[in-house]
Amino acid sequence: KAGVTQTPRYLIKTRGQQVTLSCSPISGHRSVSWYQQTPGQGLQFLFEYFSETQRNKGNFPGRFSGRQFSNSRSEMNVSTLELGDSALYLCASSAQGSLLSGELFFGEGSRLTVL
Amino acid sequence: DQQVKQNSPSLSVQEGRISILNCDYTNSMFDYFLWYKKYPAEGPTFLISISSIKDKNEDGRFTVFLNKSAKHLSLHIVPSQPGDSAVYFCAASSQGAQKLVFGQGTRLTINP
Repeated sequence: KAGVTQTPRYLIKTRGQQVTLSCSPISGHRSVSWYQQTPGQGLQFLFEYFSETQRNKGNFPGRFSGRQFSNSRSEMNVSTLELGDSALYLCASSAQGSLLSGELFFGEGSRLTVL
Repeated sequence: DQQVKQNSPSLSVQEGRISILNCDYTNSMFDYFLWYKKYPAEGPTFLISISSIKDKNEDGRFTVFLNKSAKHLSLHIVPSQPGDSAVYFCAASSQGAQKLVFGQGTRLTINP
């Protein structure tokens, strides 16, 4: 069974640009979450989608957005990039959409560097 | 506002000894706790979890203890092995929240 796939794995952008990251969950998983990992901050929750609906959103500015498609694949977009957006962006999927019934399965992440 | 805190950024343990990783939380609504392990260039992988109705959960060499009154949980690894060298994150959730709140992580190094 293929794991969570994230593309691209690495990318470099400059301030003011925008970026789109993609995530394909494990087959059959309908919940997709996004997290940002920066040194010293751990993983910060961005948002969670289930059946194409955003169910939960973290405390990030409106420049961070996402969506989920009917095949459960998800994308997140960051507009007007800032230096502080440099981070590892992790996508995770779960089967039932309830953390109490199963853990999250993470992809390897997309490492974004903003120059 | 860091609701989940791992106050030790790093920990070094000799192979074969016990590794104890600690985590504190402030939100009394949290009722489900998890530990994840992360190797470089890989995503975090689930290790073990515990519900707030329990105070201990064991899985092989890994045991998680939960002290609700102190809002503290710990992960014990016995015996520690070189392959356990990784960054460990604790995470917490409250029912229906559909999201995990992570600590900053602790880098565990097992020395031969």
